Amino acid sequence: QKEVEQDPGPLSVPEGAIVSLNCTYSNSAFQYFMWYRQYSRKGPELLMYTYSSGNKEDGRFTAQVDKSSKYISLFIRDSQPSDSATYLCAMSSPGGGNKLTFGTGTQLKVEL
Amino acid sequence: GAVVSQHPSWVICKSGTSVKIECRSLDFQATTMFWYRQFPKQSLMLMATSNEGSKATYEQGVEKDKFLINHASLTLSTLTVTSAHPEDSSFYICSARDRLLGTGELFFGEGSRLTVL
Repeated sequence: QKEVEQDPGPLSVPEGAIVSLNCTYSNSAFQYFMWYRQYSRKGPELLMYTYSSGNKEDGRFTAQVDKSSKYISLFIRDSQPSDSATYLCAMSSPGGGNKLTFGTGTQLKVEL
Repeated sequence: GAVVSQHPSWVICKSGTSVKIECRSLDFQATTMFWYRQFPKQSLMLMATSNEGSKATYEQGVEKDKFLINHASLTLSTLTVTSAHPEDSSFYICSARDRLLGTGELFFGEGSRLTVL
């Protein structure tokens, strides 16, 4: 079993839809959670960073962490074609040497 | 946000040659940088952790003599793929953490696509 599981998609939604992206993890030592957006042939771009259970909102993006269920989510409201990309969840533990463990990424396509 | 620059963004080389990829933190200092490898439609796999002024720490299965890492300053780390072969063709990405921020945020470079013929 992988430490971090993420549905690879592809996920196709119409413009304006609410998108839900999810990851589950098995390592209870993970305390820091991140969502990255990666456009084709580009490096990942940090979208959200959280370290506690609950919700964190930034514009159209909301990150949700449920440590009891080992489950994290990223919600995108009013999705736009420019949101089409691969979304990677990543997490790390305090004693993990600052290493990030990534999910496989979910490919999202927002259609006009 | 913090900017990490990688160069070159794209390189093609012949089998048996060596290729150097640079990773620079442009507006912050990074005592630690990370090198990842990404195959098409797969996630990032950590290759090694580059520490300024000391030897890099390699992940299991990564050949340190093949992937030479040098972190000579607080803003520059280099990855040299020695005696490259077609199976080394991949997307190499570096990341860095701002040592003054005190958070776990990592900033990534744009990546370097290596094609070995």
